[in-house]
Amino acid sequence: QKEVEQNSGPLSVPEGAIASLNCTYSDRGSQSFFWYRQYSGKSPELIMFIYSNGDKEDGRFTAQLNKASQYVSLLIRDSQPSDSATYLCAVRAGNQFYFGTGTSLTVIP
Amino acid sequence: EAQVTQNPRYLITVTGKKLTVTCSQNMNHEYMSWYRQDPGLGLRQIYYSMNVEVTDKGDVPEGYKVSRKEKRNFPLILESPSPNQTSLYFCASSLSVGDYEQYFGPGTRLTVT
Repeated sequence: QKEVEQNSGPLSVPEGAIASLNCTYSDRGSQSFFWYRQYSGKSPELIMFIYSNGDKEDGRFTAQLNKASQYVSLLIRDSQPSDSATYLCAVRAGNQFYFGTGTSLTVIP
Repeated sequence: EAQVTQNPRYLITVTGKKLTVTCSQNMNHEYMSWYRQDPGLGLRQIYYSMNVEVTDKGDVPEGYKVSRKEKRNFPLILESPSPNQTSLYFCASSLSVGDYEQYFGPGTRLTVT
């Protein structure tokens, strides 16, 4: 059974702070890693993906991948109240996708 | 507008009554997938399709069927729904499998009594 684990939270950070979200996965053969954001009652939307070890930055978001430790993280800099949502980590292994249960983030104004 | 549509958005039905949830995308995507989302269990893949006439089981295929006769459509069929299939269902599509964004439909909330 391929597993993707996230802390469910809730994670609360003040506006302007850095939010750090973490994800671990069990399948060493996993090939690519995605972060989706899901607002309450809405469908998931892609924030970014990463497939090589190291950091990948896109605006206020940075994804970090460490395949040796089977660990993926997402940093959100200058957090805004509009970032309050559930963040889903997803892993692709072959033709299938596996999602974590999500981390709920609240950014306090 | 590029989108994935699902119908119906909400459905309440009774045990054993066959139902179909439709999914359509207008982006010429090859890869399509169905997920169910349950509290504490996250999104789980039910079935996926690499292209027309090519479908395969995901993690939780029991009790579901799919077909992919046309590239744009990927219906989810519950032949004999049971209460444990009460869930929020999402259809998603992407250009191909791999490092591509999956675009999700708006979701279908199904209740089986």
